Amino acid sequence: EDQVTQSPEALRLQEGESSSLNCSYTVSGLRGLFWYRQDPGKGPEFLFTLYSAGEEKEKERLKATLTKKESFLHITAPKPEDSATYLCAVQARYDKIIFGKGTRLHILP
Amino acid sequence: DAGVIQSPRHEVTEMGQEVTLRCKPISGHDYLFWYRQTMMRGLELLIYFNNNVPIDDSGMPEDRFSAKMPNASFSTLKIQPSEPRDSAVYFCASSPDRLTANSPLHFGNGTRLTVT
Repeated sequence: EDQVTQSPEALRLQEGESSSLNCSYTVSGLRGLFWYRQDPGKGPEFLFTLYSAGEEKEKERLKATLTKKESFLHITAPKPEDSATYLCAVQARYDKIIFGKGTRLHILP
Repeated sequence: DAGVIQSPRHEVTEMGQEVTLRCKPISGHDYLFWYRQTMMRGLELLIYFNNNVPIDDSGMPEDRFSAKMPNASFSTLKIQPSEPRDSAVYFCASSPDRLTANSPLHFGNGTRLTVT
């Protein structure tokens, strides 16, 4: 069965303290891995797509990487405005998208 | 572009009542998805459409749930009768084409459903 597991469930960091969020997946025939950001009361907002092991994407303080079994979202020198829930999703067979439960990130000023 | 529009934003109803959630996708998007989000289970795919045709409804929890897409600009998710365990945030999302880096999912801001 296709599955996406994110860890940790929640993470509190001081402003400027870098860290990484993990997304491990089990899927038959990965067609793409997506990262989304979700703010309270809003729908998820697209950040990155990764397609193959070794691929990396960057956006401001965020960098996403992909291996054959997992993806990492690295956050460098985070600011309070980076506080949000970060969701990982995989595109499995056909066009079905399966999401993990997310990591709630809180950056303390 | 106004983005994906969902209504209502909040719905409070009593057990046994019928609930209808509405979604207007982004114009020109061929794919429409309905998701449900809870703390326990995260975001779960309920059903998705391609060119108004339901493709996969295996995530619909039971026969009390039904979804329609009568045209390219409107979809509904209906729960009849509603139960307290249906309380969740329901999201609609659309995509212009086969999901790629250039055409990811675009989400609405959801409908928070509370069934008492």
